[in-house]
Amino acid sequence: ILNVEQSPQSLHVQEGDSTNFTCSFPSSNFYALHWYRWETAKSPEALFVMTLNGDEKKKGRISATLNTKEGYSYLYIKGSQPEDSATYLCALVMRFGAGTRLTVKP
Amino acid sequence: NAGVTQTPKFQVLKTGQSMTLQCAQDMNHEYMSWYRQDPGMGLRLIHYSVGAGITDQGEVPNGYNVSRSTTEDFPLRLLSAAPSQTSVYFCASRAGEKLFFGSGTQLSVL
Repeated sequence: ILNVEQSPQSLHVQEGDSTNFTCSFPSSNFYALHWYRWETAKSPEALFVMTLNGDEKKKGRISATLNTKEGYSYLYIKGSQPEDSATYLCALVMRFGAGTRLTVKP
Repeated sequence: NAGVTQTPKFQVLKTGQSMTLQCAQDMNHEYMSWYRQDPGMGLRLIHYSVGAGITDQGEVPNGYNVSRSTTEDFPLRLLSAAPSQTSVYFCASRAGEKLFFGSGTQLSVL
């Protein structure tokens, strides 16, 4: 069974804070890791696809790193804004983690 | 392009009733899938299809049937709804490594 774990389950930060959260997965037979952003009442939206150990991707204030040997990926948000409030999902081979729900307070 | 279209957006069923959740995509994607989303459990794969005429089970297939007669459509059938099927359902299609999601169907089974 491919277990994809995300931590923390939820996170509350103040506007302007930087934050990060983790996606953990079995390191064997890795193919690709996906990060999604999921706003309430909307559909999940793809952020990054990461395939290589050491990969680092960036989109505006959001970036992600990948370590396939130890089986984790970090998602970082620099200078959080209220509009960053969402659930962030990671997925491996169509198996999703439970997500990290981020709330950014103004 | 409309992308991935799901209908209905909301549905209430009584235990034992049957219904079909519709999913259509106009992007000519071969891969389509159905997920359910429950609190604290993320998205769980119900069934998927890699092309017309081909379907397979995902993580939680029990109580659901699918068919794929065309590339565009991938309906999900609940033959005899149960309260445990109360959930939000998402259909998705895939191009390369990227998933495109529909807007979801909120289903309540009483």
